[in-house]
Amino acid sequence: TQLLEQSPQFLSIQEGENLTVYCNSSSVFSSLQWYRQEPGEGPVLLVTVVTGGEVKKLKRLTFQFGDARKDSSLHITAAQPGDTGLYLCAGVDSNSGYALNFGKGTSLLVTP
Amino acid sequence: DAGVIQSPRHEVTEMGQEVTLRCKPISGHDYLFWYRQTMMRGLELLIYFNNNVPIDDSGMPEDRFSAKMPNASFSTLKIQPSEPRDSAVYFCASSLAGPGETQYFGPGTRLLVL
Repeated sequence: TQLLEQSPQFLSIQEGENLTVYCNSSSVFSSLQWYRQEPGEGPVLLVTVVTGGEVKKLKRLTFQFGDARKDSSLHITAAQPGDTGLYLCAGVDSNSGYALNFGKGTSLLVTP
Repeated sequence: DAGVIQSPRHEVTEMGQEVTLRCKPISGHDYLFWYRQTMMRGLELLIYFNNNVPIDDSGMPEDRFSAKMPNASFSTLKIQPSEPRDSAVYFCASSLAGPGETQYFGPGTRLLVL
């Protein structure tokens, strides 16, 4: 099992601030996904990045996949209370082709 | 579509009792996954099925855990006997293609073993 380390573990900011969360591993992944999980619900997919160096934007969220496909970042511009939740990254292992490994997540709280 | 359906949503039981968690995947999805989520260990893949056949059960913690998928629309995860350390939120997810594709998660079953 490839370990995915996410940082920071917890983040509390005020509405309007910018933030970046990170997902790092020593393993190479064929693709990496970011999910958001709200309390009492299951994770919901936000984006999949496949190519090293790839940048994807989803409104105020910017996702980047590292050149070596071992790490990724999520940047949120002008955070809003609706962004509150647990952000999880998940990697598809290049060797096996199928194992889906999740990080422990970054718990984000955005206060008005 | 109703999405992935899990039952029960909450379960409280005593140590030693048998626990059965149920999942109905999204119709037409070929893959079904069972995960366990705790604060300490995060979200862990327990087992997944492709076309009702178990593909990888290396995440199943021990023999007390078993999972079945008798048909394309139903799966169970059973713990017998249950232990306090099994307390967690158990998620079922389904996917149209392989694990690299989008997984659609159910709302989870929150299990507390006393």
